[in-house]
Amino acid sequence: DQQVKQNSPSLSVQEGRISILNCDYTNSMFDYFLWYKKYPAEGPTFLISISSIKDKNEDGRFTVFLNKSAKHLSLHIVPSQPGDSAVYFCAASGTLGGNEKLTFGTGTRLTIIP
Amino acid sequence: GAVVSQHPSRVICKSGTSVKIECRSLDFQATTMFWYRQFPKKSLMLMATSNEGSKATYEQGVEKDKFLINHASLTLSTLTVTSAHPEDSSFYICSAYHRGGEKLFFGSGTQLSVL
Repeated sequence: DQQVKQNSPSLSVQEGRISILNCDYTNSMFDYFLWYKKYPAEGPTFLISISSIKDKNEDGRFTVFLNKSAKHLSLHIVPSQPGDSAVYFCAASGTLGGNEKLTFGTGTRLTIIP
Repeated sequence: GAVVSQHPSRVICKSGTSVKIECRSLDFQATTMFWYRQFPKKSLMLMATSNEGSKATYEQGVEKDKFLINHASLTLSTLTVTSAHPEDSSFYICSAYHRGGEKLFFGSGTQLSVL
């Protein structure tokens, strides 16, 4: 039972344009969401997070949007750069920033085309 | 920023042998560490939660006798894959919870190949 889903396994975006990665979840107890970036044979690195009390969080080129009613979140990267090419995982937990275990999505491979 | 070191990064072993993977939080104390497993093109699947000074909590379907976890100090957790078989070949990743920053930091992962 995949509680966190990323329905697009891959995405290609032209350099300089906006990349939009989507994530859906089914567990209404999730209240903290994170995005991680992962290169091959490396561990994930934290990008940005959002708690359920917000609907938007912005950090530089990265913005995460949360739609609780739709159980949907998205990561926007603008402008996209070649170094953004990686696999992106969304993750969710049931504790606001606490040491609760994370449930990961299946990942979306983003390729930025120069 | 906080750093988590995972060692070794790659290991190849014969079937039936045991392999130990170390996960260290280098500049913070981690009472809780997590061990994940990732198959190619799949999600990171949580295997177990490692708590300092107590027994690990395993996820459903994970054999605790096969995947031994020890969290003897606030900066070190180890995962031992006992009597490894080819189906245990996978990418194993640890993470440590940094309470001060309220974030999880991940190790660089260990690619295990069992021949």
